[in-house]
Amino acid sequence: GAVVSQHPSWVICKSGTSVKIECRSLDFQATTMFWYRQFPKQSLMLMATSNEGSKATYEQGVEKDKFLINHASLTLSTLTVTSAHPEDSSFYICSARWTGGQETQYFGPGTRLLVL
Amino acid sequence: AQTVTQSQPEMSVQEAETVTLSCTYDTSESNYYLFWYKQPPSRQMILVIRQEAYKQQNATENRFSVNFQKAAKSFSLKISDSQLGDTAMYFCAFMTFTGTASKLTFGTGTRLQVTL
Repeated sequence: GAVVSQHPSWVICKSGTSVKIECRSLDFQATTMFWYRQFPKQSLMLMATSNEGSKATYEQGVEKDKFLINHASLTLSTLTVTSAHPEDSSFYICSARWTGGQETQYFGPGTRLLVL
Repeated sequence: AQTVTQSQPEMSVQEAETVTLSCTYDTSESNYYLFWYKQPPSRQMILVIRQEAYKQQNATENRFSVNFQKAAKSFSLKISDSQLGDTAMYFCAFMTFTGTASKLTFGTGTRLQVTL
C-alpha cells in the first residue's frame, strides 16, 4: 500500500503555544488529505478535509481558527493547533486519499499531542 | 445520518482459530465503499480489506475475508488461522461521495485479542 508519514510522532508543549503537525504522502500525490482526532479507546473523528490549493472543509463543531490547515502541495498538508490548551491533548491522525484505481484512504502513524 | 455499528466491543480468539467481527451500517447512498482497518497497539491504522458496494463478490485478502450482505447492510470480517499479530482494534468504515469529495465514517471498533 501507499505510505503516509506524519511528523512529529509526539509533542509536548506549554499551554498557549502553537503546534504544527505535518502529513506527507511519500509515494503518491494526494489532492485530498484528511485530519482526524482520536481520544483514548474511541474511534476516529473527522476534523477536516484538506484540499490542495484551496480552503479546507471543516466538520461541524471544529473551530477553523483553532485548527489551521494548509495543503500547499500535492504531497504535504499541515495542521496547526493554535494557542493550544490541555483539552487539545489528543492523538491526531492524518490520511491521504488514494484514487489510483481503488479509492482508499491511507493513514499516517499519528501524532500524540500533550499540552501542559 | 450515516452510521456504522460494531456491536462487539471486545472479542477473544485462540491462535489458529477463526473469528468473525460484525458490522452493520446505515446509508441512503447507492454508491459507497466498505473497509476494515486494524489499529494495533502502535496506533497505526492499517487497511485490511475493502469492498465496493456494487460488487456482489465478497472481497478476500489472504486470511481475511468479508461477508457482504447489501440488502441487510451488513459487512462482517472473518479472520482465519488467527495469529498473535492480529491482536488489534478493528474498525469498520464506509466511504461515501459528494460530487468528487469522499468521506469515511467509522464504527466504534472491536478490540480483538488473540491468545495462545
